[in-house]
Amino acid sequence: EIVLTQSPGTLSLSPGERATLSCRASQSVPSNWLAWYQHKPGQAPRLLIYGAYNRATGIPVRISGSGSGTDFALTISRLEPEDFAVYYCQQYGRAPHTFGGGTKVEIK
Amino acid sequence: EVQLLESGGGLVQPGGSLRLSCAASGFTFTNYALAWVRQAPGKGLEWVSLIDNSGAYTDYGDSVKGRFIIFRDNSKNTLSLQMDSLRADDTAVYFCARHGGNGAGWDYLDNWGQGTLVTVSS
Repeated sequence: EIVLTQSPGTLSLSPGERATLSCRASQSVPSNWLAWYQHKPGQAPRLLIYGAYNRATGIPVRISGSGSGTDFALTISRLEPEDFAVYYCQQYGRAPHTFGGGTKVEIK
Repeated sequence: EVQLLESGGGLVQPGGSLRLSCAASGFTFTNYALAWVRQAPGKGLEWVSLIDNSGAYTDYGDSVKGRFIIFRDNSKNTLSLQMDSLRADDTAVYFCARHGGNGAGWDYLDNWGQGTLVTVSS
C-alpha cells in the first residue's frame, strides 16, 4: 500500500501568516490522484483539493495544492481564524485509499 | 443539498457485532460510489471500505478485511457496514462519505456525514 507521511505534525502560526503543509508518498501516486481535507473537532471532514491542485467547490483561492509523483503540498497563503484545524492528505490512485497522519495547524 | 446521516453506533462487547447505516439524500444515489472512513480517539483518519455505485465492487482496509462487509440498498438510498468480531481497536467515529466522479470509487470524497461513535469495550 502507499504510505503517506505528513509533516510537520503540528504547525503553530498566527492569523495572516503563510502555512505550508507537506505530504510525502512512499511510491508515486498514480495520476497524481491526491486530495486534501480539513477536519475540525465534532464536524464532518471537508474536501479542499483533489487531483493534487484542483480546488473543490467553494474553497477560497488562498488555499492551494501543488506537487506530483511522491511530493505534495498544501499552502494557505494567509491564515484566517477558520483555517485552524487538522489537515489530511489522501491518495486514491491505488487501493487501499490511504490517508496521511495529519497536520494540526494551531494558533500561536 | 447532499446529506449523509449515519446511525447504528453504540457500545458493544469485544467479539460482538454491529451494523451501521448511512441514509443519503439530495443526490442521485445510484450514480455514486460510497465509502466508510473511521477515526479512533486521538488518532487520524483511516480508510475502511468502499463500494461502487452498483454494489458490484467492494474493497476493504487490511485491518477490517474478513470481519466487515459493506453493502448498499439502491432502492432505499442506504449504505450499510456490517461489523463482526469487533475488537477494542475498532473503537472510533465512523464516517460515511460520497465519492465524487463516475461511480467507480477511484476518486476523492466530496461529501461526508457527521459520523457515529462505535465503542468496543467490556
